[in-house]
Formats: sequence, C-alpha cells, structure tokens
Amino acid sequence: AQSVTQPDIHITVSEGASLELRCNYSYGATPYLFWYVQSPGQGLQLLLKYFSGDTLVQGIKGFEAEFKRSQSSFNLRKPSVHWSDAAEYFCAVGSFNAGNMLTFGGGTRLMVKP
Amino acid sequence: GAVVSQHPSWVICKSGTSVKIECRSLDFQATTMFWYRQFPKQSLMLMATSNEGSKATYEQGVEKDKFLINHASLTLSTLTVTSAHPEDSSFYICSARDSKNTEAFFGQGTRLTVV
Repeated sequence: AQSVTQPDIHITVSEGASLELRCNYSYGATPYLFWYVQSPGQGLQLLLKYFSGDTLVQGIKGFEAEFKRSQSSFNLRKPSVHWSDAAEYFCAVGSFNAGNMLTFGGGTRLMVKP
Repeated sequence: GAVVSQHPSWVICKSGTSVKIECRSLDFQATTMFWYRQFPKQSLMLMATSNEGSKATYEQGVEKDKFLINHASLTLSTLTVTSAHPEDSSFYICSARDSKNTEAFFGQGTRLTVV
C-alpha cells in the first residue's frame, strides 16, 4: 500500500528566508507525486507534480521539488518565502493503477514571520 | 487547468437531516471522481472512488449507507450525508479526472456543520 509521510507538522520561517518541506513516500512502483497548498477554509491548489523525466520539477509561485528515488523523497523548496506563502502544504502520491487515487501526507503548516 | 466546482461551499444542518453535496466538472468529462474528508487540522482521507455509471468503491471504515455517492453523469457526482450527526461535521472535498489525464482536479470543498 502507498503511504506518504511529512515529518514536520509545523514550520516557521522568516520572510525572505529559504524553505524546504520534507516528504517521504512508500510506493511499489514509479510514483506520481504532487504538492498541494491549502489556505484556511479553502480547497487544494496544485503547486507542482512529478510523473517522469527530469527529477527537478518547477511549479507555480516559485516553488520547486526534487524527486530522489534512492531516498524515496520529494521535498518542496522555495528560495525566498513571502508572507502570502503561509498555508498548509500537502504532499501526495498517486496510484495510476487505482485510477489515480491520491494518498496524502499529514500536511505541514507553514508560518511566516515578518 | 480543468475546473471542478463544488456546491455548496458551506452548509449548516440539523441533526437527523440529510445533506447533498454536488461536484461538477465544468470543462471536461470526469470518468472518475473521488470524495475526501478532512477534519480540522488534519490531512485528507479518501472516502470513496466513483466511476461514471458504476457503484462507488468505499474505503475501509466508511459507511456506504451513510455516505451515499451517485455518479450518474460524466460531469456530476453527488455525496449525500444521510441522517447527519455532529460528528459528521467536516470539510468534504471532491476531485475529478478524465480518462486521459493522470492528474485529478479538486473542487473548493464544502464545510458541513451539523448542529
């Protein structure tokens, strides 16, 4: 069965500082990997996704993520955080064999200090 | 990207009543739809997967008689919470994909409060 772990429940960074959110997955084959952002009371917005090819994926809002098969990781990064980035971030792995059902990690709440 | 519309955005209902939540794909045919539930400050948990014209497949622990899912057309799936109780209060989110796309698109969610 597939699973996703986001080790950090909360992260606080200063505005302008760099950010890395960790994500580890367990999946039997090549995974489809996603990062979503959720603002309070809102739905999910896709930041980026990895299906195949280049392991460094660029997304919206200046985010990027790197797929490392040897570490079963798909960490999200941003070089300079903005106050508007404060939100909940979810990593997810998709199972194409199950019609692309997504399994989500527990989420990481990002807070940005001025 | 494709648009998935969920309605209503929020609803308050009395215990014992039923509530229907709609999930529509606006510009593509959704062959598969997923319903998720999210408790406050927690992650999304898949409740069920529905394919157009077929019965939904429920995840373990989800009561199919309580959470009725209908996917009668390629653009609409509904989730009906029957005989709602306060513990059913949650954020419900749907997502939809077509037969070609590996990505599923999410609705904006429905916050259900049962009083």
